[in-house]
Amino acid sequence: RKEVEQDPGPFNVPEGATVAFNCTYSNSASQSFFWYRQDCRKEPKLLMSVYSSGNEDGRFTAQLNRASQYISLLIRDSKLSDSATYLCVVKGNSGGYQKVTFGTGTKLQVIP
Amino acid sequence: DTGVSQNPRHKITKRGQNVTFRCDPISEHNRLYWYRQTLGQGPEFLTYFQNEAQLEKSRLLSDRFSAERPKGSFSTLEIQRTEQGDSAMYLCASSLADQGETQYFGPGTRLLVL
Repeated sequence: RKEVEQDPGPFNVPEGATVAFNCTYSNSASQSFFWYRQDCRKEPKLLMSVYSSGNEDGRFTAQLNRASQYISLLIRDSKLSDSATYLCVVKGNSGGYQKVTFGTGTKLQVIP
Repeated sequence: DTGVSQNPRHKITKRGQNVTFRCDPISEHNRLYWYRQTLGQGPEFLTYFQNEAQLEKSRLLSDRFSAERPKGSFSTLEIQRTEQGDSAMYLCASSLADQGETQYFGPGTRLLVL
């Protein structure tokens, strides 16, 4: 089983739609969770951190479910500019050092 | 621009040649990471430094790869005797350990081994 798994998509949604992505992780001792956004041929950029209580930033909502070991990202009122690949990132300790693991990403295409 | 910078942005080399990439992190960041990304995959962790100390290396990193951060500022990643399978985007990121570990990425160096 991969350490961090995401559905690669693509998710093709119309403008204005709500779309949700999930990401599962295998290490129950993982400590920190993030969503990054990556545009085609660009570097990843932090979208938002994921807090235990869930958090919202405008149209974006992130949630963490430690019991089931997954995080989610919900995008409301999708815009064309939301088209990108969304990377799930999990951080935890491994052998005394921190380990950062990226998922393969979920591709979102918002259609006019 | 005070973000992470990487040089060169593109590198084409012949199989068997050595290449070296440079990363300049955000100046106050004490952690620096190297990743490799191929098409359709997420970034794969290669190694990271805290200040000048290299704290972890991925098992993916063969003996042909070496990274340094001699003064705790910029870092170099060298690949010796390149192979076609080394063709990828090499990404550098930096973070400040005490601030939630948000990593800021550079634009990457795209390597093509012919």
